[in-house]
Amino acid sequence: AQSVTQLDSQVPVFEEAPVELRCNYSSSVSVYLFWYVQYPNQGLQLLLKYLSGSTLVKGINGFEAEFNKSQTSFHLRKPSVHISDTAEYFCAVRGGGSEKLVFGKGTKLTVNP
Amino acid sequence: NAGVTQTPKFQVLKTGQSMTLQCAQDMNHEYMSWYRQDPGMGLRLIHYSVGAGITDQGEVPNGYNVSRSTTEDFPLRLLSAAPSQTSVYFCASRAEAGTQPQHFGDGTRLSIL
Repeated sequence: AQSVTQLDSQVPVFEEAPVELRCNYSSSVSVYLFWYVQYPNQGLQLLLKYLSGSTLVKGINGFEAEFNKSQTSFHLRKPSVHISDTAEYFCAVRGGGSEKLVFGKGTKLTVNP
Repeated sequence: NAGVTQTPKFQVLKTGQSMTLQCAQDMNHEYMSWYRQDPGMGLRLIHYSVGAGITDQGEVPNGYNVSRSTTEDFPLRLLSAAPSQTSVYFCASRAEAGTQPQHFGDGTRLSIL
């Protein structure tokens, strides 16, 4: 079975600073990895996904993530954050052949002026 | 495109009442699922369906029933609501191919008194 650990429940950062949100997963099979963003009182929106190929994945809103198989990690990064990036971010994994998408507990990113 | 539509958006129930949360998608997606979101817990899978007439249990199925009579609709039933079922419920769908991401509805906020 797959599992996801998001190492930080809350990340405060100043505007225009870089940010990294950490995600580690466990799975005995090949995986598909996703990052979703949830703005207050809204549903989840896909930021980016890793399926195969290049380990550096670029998504919407200037976010990118790097898949590291040896460290079973899929950390999300943005070089310069904006106030509007304040939201909760969820890492999720689906094992090859499984229909189930397993989520981490989320990281609340707060961007301060 | 409507995408995934959930109704109602808000609901308050008394303990012991029954209710059906509606979910409809217009993307002809085979896979649909229900999650509940609780503070600090991320999203947990309740039930899912891989096509009309086929459903299966997720991580937290107790107290919930589902059916899938059409490709478009995937209702979630609470037969006897309990305060522990107070949560935000999200419906999601995705295309059949395993690489496709989930599309989420905007959620139903349910309070059980």
